[in-house]
Amino acid sequence: AQSVAQPEDQVNVAEGNPLTVKCTYSVSGNPYLFWYVQYPNRGLQFLLKYITGDNLVKGSYGFEAEFNKSQTSFHLKKPSALVSDSALYFCAVRPYTNAGKSTFGDGTTLTVKP
Amino acid sequence: EAGVTQFPSHSVIEKGQTVTLRCDPISGHDNLYWYRRVMGKEIKFLLHFVKESKQDESGMPNNRFLAERTGGTYSTLKVQPAELEDSGVYFCASSQEGRGHNEQFFGPGTRLTVL
Repeated sequence: AQSVAQPEDQVNVAEGNPLTVKCTYSVSGNPYLFWYVQYPNRGLQFLLKYITGDNLVKGSYGFEAEFNKSQTSFHLKKPSALVSDSALYFCAVRPYTNAGKSTFGDGTTLTVKP
Repeated sequence: EAGVTQFPSHSVIEKGQTVTLRCDPISGHDNLYWYRRVMGKEIKFLLHFVKESKQDESGMPNNRFLAERTGGTYSTLKVQPAELEDSGVYFCASSQEGRGHNEQFFGPGTRLTVL
C-alpha cells in the first residue's frame, strides 16, 4: 500500500525567507510524486511533479522540490516566500505501475507573514 | 479551455436525505476521478472512471454511494441516504490519460454538510 506523510500541519515563515514544506512517501516500486496547492474556495492546482531524471524539479510560481530516494522524501521549497504563497499544500504519490488513484498527505497550511 | 467544474459548490442536507453531486471534466479527458476530504484529513480516493467504465472503485465507502458516468462525459455521485460522517469536500479530477506520470486537474470541490 502507498502512503504519504506531511509531518507539519502548519508552517509559518516571514516574507522573503526561504520556505520548506516536508513530504515523505511509501510506495512499492518507483514513484511519481506531485505537489498541489489549494487556495481558499478554489480547487487543487498542480505545482510540480517528479517522474524521473534530475532530482530537483522546478514548478509554478518559483517553487521547486527535491526528490531523495534514500530518504523517500519530496520536500517542497522556495528560496524567497511571498505573502501570496499562503495556502494549503498537498503532496501526492502515484505508483509507477498503477495508472489511477493518487494518494495524498493530510496537507500543510503555509502562512507567510509580511 | 474550461477546467473541471463541479456542482453544487455547497450542499447542506439533513441526515437521511439524498444528494447528487455533478462533475464535468475537461473536454477530451477520458479519466475521471472522485476524491473526498473529510474533517481536514487527507484527500482520499473514491473511484476512477475510464470513459463510462469504472476502472477502480476500491475507495467507495459503502453502498450508499453510487457513481455514474453515462456516455463517458460528466459524472454524478449520489449519496443515499446521507449520514453525518459523509460531510466533507468532494473533489473531482480528470486527466487525459490514466498514466501515473500525468497530473490530474481538479475541480473546486463540493462542500457537503449533513446535519
